[in-house]
Amino acid sequence: AQKITQTQPGMFVQEKEAVTLDCTYDTSDQSYGLFWYKQPSSGEMIFLIYQGSYDEQNATEGRYSLNFQKARKSANLVISASQLGDSAMYFCAMREALYRTSLRAQKLVFGQGTRLTINP
Amino acid sequence: GAGVSQSPRYKVAKRGQDVALRCDPISGHVSLFWYQQALGQGPEFLTYFQNEAQLDKSGLPSDRFFAERPEGSVSTLKIQRTQQEDSAVYLCASSLPGAPEAFFGQGTRLTVV
Repeated sequence: AQKITQTQPGMFVQEKEAVTLDCTYDTSDQSYGLFWYKQPSSGEMIFLIYQGSYDEQNATEGRYSLNFQKARKSANLVISASQLGDSAMYFCAMREALYRTSLRAQKLVFGQGTRLTINP
Repeated sequence: GAGVSQSPRYKVAKRGQDVALRCDPISGHVSLFWYQQALGQGPEFLTYFQNEAQLDKSGLPSDRFFAERPEGSVSTLKIQRTQQEDSAVYLCASSLPGAPEAFFGQGTRLTVV
């Protein structure tokens, strides 16, 4: 069964520093997708970045990059030059069977989340 | 609209009351998902629609939970005879066919007293 583990319940970082949020996953599937979402206090889950298991390059989106280490089954999120507005909950998630038409391929499985606080 | 819209944002229900939560997905998104997020936890999958067809309801916790999407756009999640353990944020998400990422609404916070 697929599982996502986020071992950092909370992180405190100074503004403008880089921060790495850890995520490890477990799956027996060969094709899967890894996602990071941000959830501010307003409650909405905001899509940040996606990495497919067959993608050779690490995904990047602006200040966000995903450090994908397939052999270690880790997909850490790196935020460069953190800003006060980055303070939020961050969730790592996975979809299995990404490139096949499958019912179970559609749902996301989420980790427990990491609460990131950026200090001025 | 530009994003996924959910209503109401907040709902307080007395135990035993029925509730209905609405989700209006992004226009053109055929896939629609419902998730339940308990306090301090990550979201958990409830059910999935492709157009009007409910293809996966494996996450619905009991037969008190029912979801529909009759015309393939707006969806309603109904909870009958609410219980305290139903208190959570209910998130709706939609996505385009073939696109890996899903886009979420702001959720409905349900409190059962």
